[in-house]
Amino acid sequence: EPEVTQTPSHQVTQMGQEVILRCVPISNHLYFYWYRQILGQKVEFLVSFYNNEISEKSEIFDDQFSVERPDGSNFTLKIRSTKLEDSAMYFCASSERYNTEAFFGQGTRLTVV
Amino acid sequence: QKEVEQNSGPLSVPEGAIASLNCTYSDRGSQSFFWYRQYSGKSPELIMSIYSNGDKEDGRFTAQLNKASQYVSLLIRDSQPSDSATYLCAVYNNNDMRFGAGTRLTVKP
Repeated sequence: EPEVTQTPSHQVTQMGQEVILRCVPISNHLYFYWYRQILGQKVEFLVSFYNNEISEKSEIFDDQFSVERPDGSNFTLKIRSTKLEDSAMYFCASSERYNTEAFFGQGTRLTVV
Repeated sequence: QKEVEQNSGPLSVPEGAIASLNCTYSDRGSQSFFWYRQYSGKSPELIMSIYSNGDKEDGRFTAQLNKASQYVSLLIRDSQPSDSATYLCAVYNNNDMRFGAGTRLTVKP
């Protein structure tokens, strides 16, 4: 069964460093998303991406964040100058069509020290 | 502000009982509604999607949607201990899907 794949599963970085989280969405899906979940808290929407551009972004998705689809399969989230409060689980998701169900990857646990 | 509200629980039911989970949302333009299940330390897993008013059944699960009341619910019949998890309501509008905080369900053998 097709699935969303995320790498790495766990990333530890020093405060102030840049990190890139990687995702391979399901191959025939056209809509891509990033979410984060701070430990013990809700799943929070960051950004959606379609046709090589951002469709929607939340209040959380400020200039520290950027997304890119560098080739036909990968979808990345870059976090510049990481802060302690960026420590969270980051989930990538994809959906086949507009406003339909999204399928999630297994997540990348980011720890900022 | 796009709010999705759920009773955080915990909700505890005996094995074999019906579990009822509720969700309200603030954005009247919302178009699609989903229930996800999340086990501790894992990613959200889709259970049900519902797009129009009324009931939708899939096995032991029934989703109910009332757009006029901005209300979505999930019924789990014949609850099993393996159903113990956090259930997330998700509401979708224009490529923006927001989650509620989730209801933690415990099914006791």
